[in-house]
Amino acid sequence: DAKTTQPPSMDCAEGRAANLPCNHSTISGNEYVYWYRQIHSQGPQYIIHGLKNNETNEMASLIITEDRKSSTLILPHATLRDTAVYYCIVRVIIQGAQKLVFGQGTRLTINP
Amino acid sequence: DAGVIQSPRHEVTEMGQEVTLRCKPISGHNSLFWYRQTMMRGLELLIYFNNNVPIDDSGMPEDRFSAKMPNASFSTLKIQPSEPRDSAVYFCASRLTGIRTETQYFGPGTRLLVL
Repeated sequence: DAKTTQPPSMDCAEGRAANLPCNHSTISGNEYVYWYRQIHSQGPQYIIHGLKNNETNEMASLIITEDRKSSTLILPHATLRDTAVYYCIVRVIIQGAQKLVFGQGTRLTINP
Repeated sequence: DAGVIQSPRHEVTEMGQEVTLRCKPISGHNSLFWYRQTMMRGLELLIYFNNNVPIDDSGMPEDRFSAKMPNASFSTLKIQPSEPRDSAVYFCASRLTGIRTETQYFGPGTRLLVL
């Protein structure tokens, strides 16, 4: 099962780009990388996902390395409301069922 | 779209009492997930349903926990009898399967405190 490794915490200044790294060296060729975030006291929120190519949406950009062993989530202009725990997840198959397994994530703090 | 709806939002009960948590998934979604989140263990998947059928309940802690999905619009997670260690935030999530991706949409959660 593919496992992800993220730094436990990061800080970023408001208005700057926040770059959150994730290692997933055991990822399989057909597994997607997902990013969710959880703002305090709320349910996790989907941000973006990708397979091989870089992806961008209204919330963030996802850069996946060519060997797919790591990725970076980019919040281009971080605001105070982006303070949250960010989870990098690789879909796993456990007992024949596809699941998203949440790790400990990165606690991102945006400072004014 | 109202999103995933969970009720109650907060529940305080005494040890030994029965607790029922409710979830209404997003209309049209055909998979539903129940998660539990604690400081010690993080976010754990308890059970998930596909087309109202339980697919994997390996995360259900013990027989005191049970989950049902009588129709596509409603699911319950029941704890009987409840214990203090069941205190946690319980999230419900739904997803539209049949596509390759696994995007899940979470509800606001139910904060359960068992005294």
